[in-house]
Amino acid sequence: DGGITQSPKYLFRKEGQNVTLSCEQNLNHDAMYWYRQDPGQGLRLIYYSQIVNDFQKGDIAEGYSVSREKKESFPLTVTSAQKNPTAFYLCASSMEGQSYGYTFGSGTRLTVV
Amino acid sequence: EDQVTQSPEALRLQEGESSSLNCSYTVSGLRGLFWYRQDPGKGPEFLFTLYSAGEEKEKERLKATLTKKESFLHITAPKPEDSATYLCAPGMGSGNTGKLIFGQGTTLQVKP
Repeated sequence: DGGITQSPKYLFRKEGQNVTLSCEQNLNHDAMYWYRQDPGQGLRLIYYSQIVNDFQKGDIAEGYSVSREKKESFPLTVTSAQKNPTAFYLCASSMEGQSYGYTFGSGTRLTVV
Repeated sequence: EDQVTQSPEALRLQEGESSSLNCSYTVSGLRGLFWYRQDPGKGPEFLFTLYSAGEEKEKERLKATLTKKESFLHITAPKPEDSATYLCAPGMGSGNTGKLIFGQGTTLQVKP
């Protein structure tokens, strides 16, 4: 079945560490997105990519980095520069021209220990 | 500035008690208004897309409507399994479906 796979489901980070969240899709979608979700807040856009080898900053890109070397993959690195990384991270994808918006992964919950 | 506000933040209903959720938006270049359902600890699941004022779409006990500045999600005779957070997201920009701006959501609890 087609879909988006995020891994791991739970991730723990020590202070000062970089961690990478995986996002893979087999929907042949062109665009991919990373959102952060905090309790009581809407989803906030971190980075997005509309084609391979190109990506743009979203509203809260500081302390994060991404790459888009393959159409299927859009990993997110949470760097030590991100001072408050504990959150629920969601990856999504979409195809140009389709009316059903984004398909989301099941999320990764990152906790700083 | 592009903004989305959903109300109420939380809603408790008895099973069978109908109600509506509101999504007010200010977006330049609206390209669709999307509704999603999100269960705890999971990713949002697509429900509806509305493109023009006056448009309505239905799915089981849910009906979404759109005006130029608001969208409503009407829930008729809800059941406990309808309990979830409902997210509204106007799409903006040009080209593909583009970026979505998400509201903070309305958390619905339906008691048996």
